[in-house]
Amino acid sequence: EIVMTQSPGTLSVSLGERATLSCRASQSVSSNLAWYQQKPGQAPRLLIYGASTRATGIPARFSGSGSGTEFTLTISSLQSEDFAVYCCQQYNNWPRTFGQGTKVEIK
Amino acid sequence: EVQLVESGGGLVQPGGSLRLSCAASGFTFSSYAMSWVRQAPGKGLEWVSAIRGGGSSTYNADSVKGRFTVSRDDSKNTLYLQMSSLRVEDTAVYYCAKSVTVSTTNFDHWGQGTLVTVSS
Repeated sequence: EIVMTQSPGTLSVSLGERATLSCRASQSVSSNLAWYQQKPGQAPRLLIYGASTRATGIPARFSGSGSGTEFTLTISSLQSEDFAVYCCQQYNNWPRTFGQGTKVEIK
Repeated sequence: EVQLVESGGGLVQPGGSLRLSCAASGFTFSSYAMSWVRQAPGKGLEWVSAIRGGGSSTYNADSVKGRFTVSRDDSKNTLYLQMSSLRVEDTAVYYCAKSVTVSTTNFDHWGQGTLVTVSS
């Protein structure tokens, strides 16, 4: 099983600042990596797939990069609606696996 | 508009069974792989099971192998998860999720989730 490790566990950021979240895979997943945003009591929302392709309707302030084992989600200028938990998911190998999540909170 | 509506959750005793359903609309259901993903209270997401479009192949997490069975009825646009030998640690919100493309298992649409509680 591929283990997905996210860091940091919690990120404290001010409005308008840049946030950089990391996701590491225990073995290569090529570019088969997705990022999701989840708010309390809601289902996850797809942000990025293919490591760097924004999903439909996702603002340009969200960007993804990386391949192989190291991936990054960047939020260029945090808006109030961006405070949430973000998790990565690999879909290169079975079983599909998620990271444990990074909580982005208001500083 | 894509819609996924889960049902069938509830309270069940350890060792019991439950069948979840997910009614899909707004897309060509038969073409897409579908998955079940769960989230235990206060925990992260865990992929549970997937089934290819047309039901040709199924996949399960090790934690549910031999206990859960994913299936689909493309004539009814419905996904199912038959859960048996339920354990306390299966307590979670169960989401059904649609794949982004016909050949991948990353998820662009999710249902609202249905809560399964396994407790005596």
